[in-house]
Amino acid sequence: KAGVTQTPRYLIKTRGQQVTLSCSPISGHRSVSWYQQTPGQGLQFLFEYFSETQRNKGNFPGRFSGRQFSNSRSEMNVSTLELGDSALYLCASSMELGELFFGEGSRLTVL
Amino acid sequence: QKEVEQNSGPLSVPEGAIASLNCTYSDRGSQSFFWYRQYSGKSPELIMFIYSNGDKEDGRFTAQLNKASQYVSLLIRDSQPSDSATYLCAVNISGGSYIPTFGRGTSLIVHP
Repeated sequence: KAGVTQTPRYLIKTRGQQVTLSCSPISGHRSVSWYQQTPGQGLQFLFEYFSETQRNKGNFPGRFSGRQFSNSRSEMNVSTLELGDSALYLCASSMELGELFFGEGSRLTVL
Repeated sequence: QKEVEQNSGPLSVPEGAIASLNCTYSDRGSQSFFWYRQYSGKSPELIMFIYSNGDKEDGRFTAQLNKASQYVSLLIRDSQPSDSATYLCAVNISGGSYIPTFGRGTSLIVHP
């Protein structure tokens, strides 16, 4: 069974640009959640999508947005990038039990 | 603010010893508890979950939950150098959401 697939794995952007990250969940998993991980803040919850609807949202500014498609694939977008957005962005899929299965992450560097 | 607290470590144990990792949480209504292992440069992977008070064993791993004292622990028996990683505790807080709150993790070093 294929795992969670995230693309791209690495990317470098400059301040003010925007970025779109993609996530394909495990087949059959309808919940997709996104996390930001930095050395200073640990794993911070961004948002969760279930059946194309944003069901939960963390405490991040509106520059961070996401969506989920009918095939459960999800994208997240960060606009007007800031230096502090440099992080590992992790996507996780799950069934309805809270057990998360993470992708390998997209490492974003903002210069 | 509902919190999950872990000692950041590093916790250093010799090969073959028992490593004990602890996690406390603030929300008394928390329902389910997870331990994830994260190797350096990799993403977290689920290794254990526990829902009921008491112990749950899986191979060399034992999760212990004490809801009255609001702590959950992970014991790793016969620790191996390959167990060296950061261990993240995650707690599903009450309120019907399945979004877990993560602690910042404990770094474990198992030395030969």
